[in-house]
Amino acid sequence: GENVEQHPSTLSVQEGDSAVIKCTYSDSASNYFPWYKQELGKRPQLIIDIRSNVGEKKDQRIAVTLNKTAKHFSLHITETQPEDSAVYFCAAGRRALTFGSGTRLQVQP
Amino acid sequence: NAGVTQTPKFQVLKTGQSMTLQCAQDMNHNSMYWYRQDPGMGLRLIYYSASEGTTDKGEVPNGYNVSRLNKREFSLRLESAAPSQTSVYFCASSDAPVYEQYFGPGTRLTVT
Repeated sequence: GENVEQHPSTLSVQEGDSAVIKCTYSDSASNYFPWYKQELGKRPQLIIDIRSNVGEKKDQRIAVTLNKTAKHFSLHITETQPEDSAVYFCAAGRRALTFGSGTRLQVQP
Repeated sequence: NAGVTQTPKFQVLKTGQSMTLQCAQDMNHNSMYWYRQDPGMGLRLIYYSASEGTTDKGEVPNGYNVSRLNKREFSLRLESAAPSQTSVYFCASSDAPVYEQYFGPGTRLTVT
């Protein structure tokens, strides 16, 4: 089955800085790569996703890049704000999703 | 639209007891999922239903059973609860297997 590894497990940045979270996956057949944000005590919510036929996707301050050859994808958040503080999960799959273990992002005001 | 709803929100069971977690969605989605989330960990897929009438095992199916009752409802049953099943359980739904998943609010289950 698919195996997804996510790094770092915690990340602390100053407000306004950029944050980068990286994931690797094992199954070359995976074709869908979403990122979810989960605030404390809340449900996960999709923030951006990318499919295997696209190398990069951007939505305002958030971008995702995908390198199929190396089997890794990354989340980039620019101009971070305190409300970006949460746990972020990557996932990969082609029929069902396998999630990474999460990155706790803390944005210091 | 309520989206994805789950009942109950909280539950405490004794070892060996059984219970069913209920999930319903009103978005006319074809696919539904059950995940568990342990403290400090990611989501692990228990079972999923890619379409009405089908169910498949995920990463951690042991100790659980599911029923896709109709297109709207997908239930998760614990036949004989164990302390290792203490977790937060999330139900999710999506239009198709690898499309955006919408999560329910979760059920916090404690097994003593």
